[in-house]
Amino acid sequence: NAGVTQTPKFQVLKTGQSMTLQCAQDMNHNSMYWYRQDPGMGLRLIYYSASEGTTDKGEVPNGYNVSRLNKREFSLRLESAAPSQTSVYFCASSTYNEQFFGPGTRLTVL
Amino acid sequence: GDSVTQMEGPVTLSEEAFLTINCTYTATGYPSLFWYVQYPGEGLQLLLKATKADDKGSNKGFEATYRKETTSFHLEKGSVQVSDSAVYFCALSPFEGGGNKLTFGTGTQLKVEL
Repeated sequence: NAGVTQTPKFQVLKTGQSMTLQCAQDMNHNSMYWYRQDPGMGLRLIYYSASEGTTDKGEVPNGYNVSRLNKREFSLRLESAAPSQTSVYFCASSTYNEQFFGPGTRLTVL
Repeated sequence: GDSVTQMEGPVTLSEEAFLTINCTYTATGYPSLFWYVQYPGEGLQLLLKATKADDKGSNKGFEATYRKETTSFHLEKGSVQVSDSAVYFCALSPFEGGGNKLTFGTGTQLKVEL
C-alpha cells in the first residue's frame, strides 16, 4: 500500500515551458486535491476532484489545468510555466474524515 | 470566508520544554479543526482533530481543545523531543469530516534542540 505517490520529486523549467505533475492513490478514495505550498502562505488549494469525472477550482487555479483520469489518478498541468509558479506542489486524497498527502514535487521555474 | 491564523515561527525550544502553538480561526457555522504535521522532506500528516466545541484531540503527547468562545485550537505538548522538530499546520473544515476542502494556516516551524 503506497498511499499517495507523486512524480517527479523535483523539476526545473524555463519560463513558457509546459509540464504535467502526476499523482496516484491506491486507497480507493473518491476525492483528490492539488495544493501549492509557499513560504509564509501555508497550503493553498489549486483544484480538487470530489469524484471521478468531476473537477472544481480552488483558491488559486489560474495558470493550471487538471485531469481526473480515473479514480486513482489526478494530474496537474502547467501549460506555460511562470516564475510565480515556483513552489512545492502536494497532491492529497481523502476519506470522509481525513486527507492523506503525497511527498510533494518541488518545482522551480527560471 | 474561512480563515486560520497561527503564531509565527520559528519556535525554538530545548528538549523537554513545554510547547504551545497558538491557532485561532474565523468561520461560519460549526467547523471541524485539525492539526497537521510536516516532517522535513515529507508531505503533511494528520496529527489530531476535534469536531465540536470542547472536544479535545490528542495524539503522540500532543493535545488541542476546541474553544468556540475564543475561536481557538491551540496545540500543546508537555515535553518536546528533538524528533518533534517539524512544521505544524492548523486547519479547518466547514464540515464534520476532514475529507473536504481544508483551509490551512501558514504553518509554524518548531525546532527542538538538545
